Amino acid sequence: QKEVEQNSGPLSVPEGAIASLNCTYSDRVSQSFFWYRQYSGKSPELIMSIYSNGDKEDGRFTAQLNKASQYVSLLIRDSQPSDSATYLCAVFGSSNTGKLIFGQGTTLQVKP
Amino acid sequence: AAGVIQSPRHLIKEKRETATLKCYPIPRHDTVYWYQQGPGQDPQFLISFYEKMQSDKGSIPDRFSAQQFSDYHSELNMSSLELGDSALYFCASSHTRGLDSPLHFGNGTRLTVT
Repeated sequence: QKEVEQNSGPLSVPEGAIASLNCTYSDRVSQSFFWYRQYSGKSPELIMSIYSNGDKEDGRFTAQLNKASQYVSLLIRDSQPSDSATYLCAVFGSSNTGKLIFGQGTTLQVKP
Repeated sequence: AAGVIQSPRHLIKEKRETATLKCYPIPRHDTVYWYQQGPGQDPQFLISFYEKMQSDKGSIPDRFSAQQFSDYHSELNMSSLELGDSALYFCASSHTRGLDSPLHFGNGTRLTVT
């Protein structure tokens, strides 16, 4: 079992719709969670970070964390074609180590 | 705002050659991470440094070594290159090694081994 799991997709949504991306992690005591966006051949770009249970909103993006279920999600409202990319969920482990673990990423396609 | 700078952007080497990748973190960032990303794969953690000391080690081959210098820049040295080493290599930096310090990635070095 991978430490961080995502559905690889592709997830296809029409322009203007809400895209919902999901991620589960195996280390129950993980504390820090991040969503990165990566365009093909480019570097991962930080979108959101979340550390506490609940929702965190930033513009069109909302991250949701449920530590009891070991689940983190990203909602993208009013999806735009420019949102089409791979979204990587990343988790820092339980100890203060320098190791951020990525999921395999979900490819999002927003169709005009 | 200043970002993580990696050089070179592209590198072509032959099997069994050596390569050196360089990374300059964001100013005042003291932690550097190296990742390897093959085609269609997620970034794989190689190694990290905090305050010039190795912090954690991932799936880094013994043929690879890395260090962080006094000015906080880092170099990844790769020897006896193999075809399977062809990948994108990303460097990332963070302000501290804390769990609430997001990683900021450089543009990567695309290594092609022929």
